[in-house]
Amino acid sequence: GQSLEQPSEVTAVEGAIVQINCTYQTSGFYGLSWYQQHDGGAPTFLSYNALDGLEETGRFSSFLSRSDSYGYLLLQELQMKDSASYFCAVGSGGYQKVTFGTGTKLQVIP
Amino acid sequence: DTGVSQNPRHKITKRGQNVTFRCDPISEHNRLYWYRQTLGQGPEFLTYFQNEAQLEKSRLLSDRFSAERPKGSFSTLEIQRTEQGDSAMYLCASSSWGGVSNSPLHFGNGTRLTVT
Repeated sequence: GQSLEQPSEVTAVEGAIVQINCTYQTSGFYGLSWYQQHDGGAPTFLSYNALDGLEETGRFSSFLSRSDSYGYLLLQELQMKDSASYFCAVGSGGYQKVTFGTGTKLQVIP
Repeated sequence: DTGVSQNPRHKITKRGQNVTFRCDPISEHNRLYWYRQTLGQGPEFLTYFQNEAQLEKSRLLSDRFSAERPKGSFSTLEIQRTEQGDSAMYLCASSSWGGVSNSPLHFGNGTRLTVT
């Protein structure tokens, strides 16, 4: 099966940088994705890594190390609207089933 | 692109009743996923389809849960003999898949089920 571990909660100051880590165990790994979910809303896609290294999309960057089964999401210049839950998700298996982690609740404080 | 549509938005039912939810994916998407989410948890995988074929069903699901995707378009998720533990948000997502790269999942707003 698949398992993913993330910190349950993170608090950071507006304007700062925060890193959310994700470790995973799976067979037939295809890629690691990150999703954002605001309270009461649906998850929305942020970033995807299939290969080792850093992917940058605006204020958000995501990193993957396949040899370590590890990735992280980096949020820069934090804004109050970034307060949300963040989920890592792995695509695995021959049909690329997508399995989500338990999520990290980020609170941005003034 | 009208997005993924789920109906109903809310469903309240008595324990033991059957319920059915509907998901209309983005029209050109061939992949369709069902997830269940409870408060403070991540989306829990239930099942997924490529076109009309059901690729996998979670082993955590009892036989009370069944899903269909006739003709590879909309999908339905049925829960028979509902139990209070079935109370959750049921999320549907769709994506396109060409066999090589993973495209993002696009989620609907979910159906919130409350079993009394």
